Amino acid sequence: QVQLQQSGAELAKPGTSVKLSCKASGYTFTSFYIDWVKQRPGQGLEWIGYIYPGNGGSYYSEKFKGKAAFTADTSSSTAYMLLGSLTPEDSAYYFCARGERGGRGFAYWGQGTLVTVSS
Amino acid sequence: DIVMTQSPTSMSISVGDRVTMNCKASQNVGSNVDWYQQKTGQSPKLLIDKASNRYTGVPDRFTGSGSGTDFTLTISNMQAEDLAVYYCMQSNSYPFTFGSGTKLEIK
Repeated sequence: QVQLQQSGAELAKPGTSVKLSCKASGYTFTSFYIDWVKQRPGQGLEWIGYIYPGNGGSYYSEKFKGKAAFTADTSSSTAYMLLGSLTPEDSAYYFCARGERGGRGFAYWGQGTLVTVSS
Repeated sequence: DIVMTQSPTSMSISVGDRVTMNCKASQNVGSNVDWYQQKTGQSPKLLIDKASNRYTGVPDRFTGSGSGTDFTLTISNMQAEDLAVYYCMQSNSYPFTFGSGTKLEIK
């Protein structure tokens, strides 16, 4: 069955970086997008962007350009998101989701990784 | 960016009620709208994609409709397990954008 397993919670200091992982299983990793979504505690969902492991192509919402960077390791079926220059506003849950296009929704989600930025 | 405006922000409902919530896009998004359900402490769950396509395993009391700029999610015969926040999302053009959510609470 399709699963997306995300890495554990992170506590980071302002100005540093964290690298989150999303390990996929149960499907062909290179055939689907990995989309990333941010959710601050008690707040709504915010789409960050995607990576397509099939060719490494990516897209970032304007707000996250320079903040997030996606990579994918096809040998381990794992997608990564590097969040840099952390500020308290980056404290949030970050979800990965398997994306299709053509109007199909995000049917599979990871469990989320909580990032807390605090000095 | 396309703005997705959801209404109402919250609703107090009773088990057995019929619930209707709305999502309005700031420009034409065709039928490229999904609806997600998020319960406290959980990841979002896909209910509806392509505006009206009920995802596998989703109970038929959930119905999506609309096209263009106006979309609706209806829950007939509300159940206690349906208490959650519901989000719409457009996937017609990048960046994808979510509505701010409609929270269902027990009256």
